[in-house]
Amino acid sequence: DAGVTQSPTHLIKTRGQQVTLRCSPKSGHDTVSWYQQALGQGPQFIFQYYEEEERQRGNFPDRFSGHQFPNYSSELNVNALLLGDSALYLCASSPSLGLAGPSPKTQYFGPGTRLLVL
Amino acid sequence: GQQVMQIPQYQHVQEGEDFTTYCNSSTTLSNIQWYKQRPGGHPVFLIQLVKSGEVKKQKRLTFQFGEAKKNSSLHITATQTTDVGTYFCARNSGGSNYKLTFGKGTLLTVNP
Repeated sequence: DAGVTQSPTHLIKTRGQQVTLRCSPKSGHDTVSWYQQALGQGPQFIFQYYEEEERQRGNFPDRFSGHQFPNYSSELNVNALLLGDSALYLCASSPSLGLAGPSPKTQYFGPGTRLLVL
Repeated sequence: GQQVMQIPQYQHVQEGEDFTTYCNSSTTLSNIQWYKQRPGGHPVFLIQLVKSGEVKKQKRLTFQFGEAKKNSSLHITATQTTDVGTYFCARNSGGSNYKLTFGKGTLLTVNP
């Protein structure tokens, strides 16, 4: 059973460019959240997708957008990259909201994509 | 926002010494989660505490949730070099939202 996978592992872009990061959730999980982790900081919530819709959003500008596909995989897009967007981007998946059981449920993080903006 | 504060920011210990990191909130927490992130790695879930006064143990790790549900701690007994990493507490927004708000973490280094 594969865990959460992300691609690419590393990426170098220049200011003004656009980037797309990808995430495949753990098997059986249908909720995907994206986090940005700057160096030396804790992860910060960007947004969350469930049933192909954005359910929650953190304090990030509209340059950050996302998508969830019918197979529950997700993409994070960042437009007009800034130097400050350099960070580790983490995807986390969670079990189905529709399942019975204790709440809240555990999130499983992927290995992340390290983005460097020059 | 509903922040969680972690102290200390850094802790360096000799192997075999104990280590404790604290997580505090100004508001009542519905639950608290703890994660470990090794250098160059990603956060790995350790435990979730939900009940007031809850204490959970994982081998040398002891996790506590305060009676008022406003603070939590992680204590490691007899640290080992494999304990090196950053320990984060994170509050969940409650229910099944899965939105985590992380503290800034405590970086633990262990001198062999």
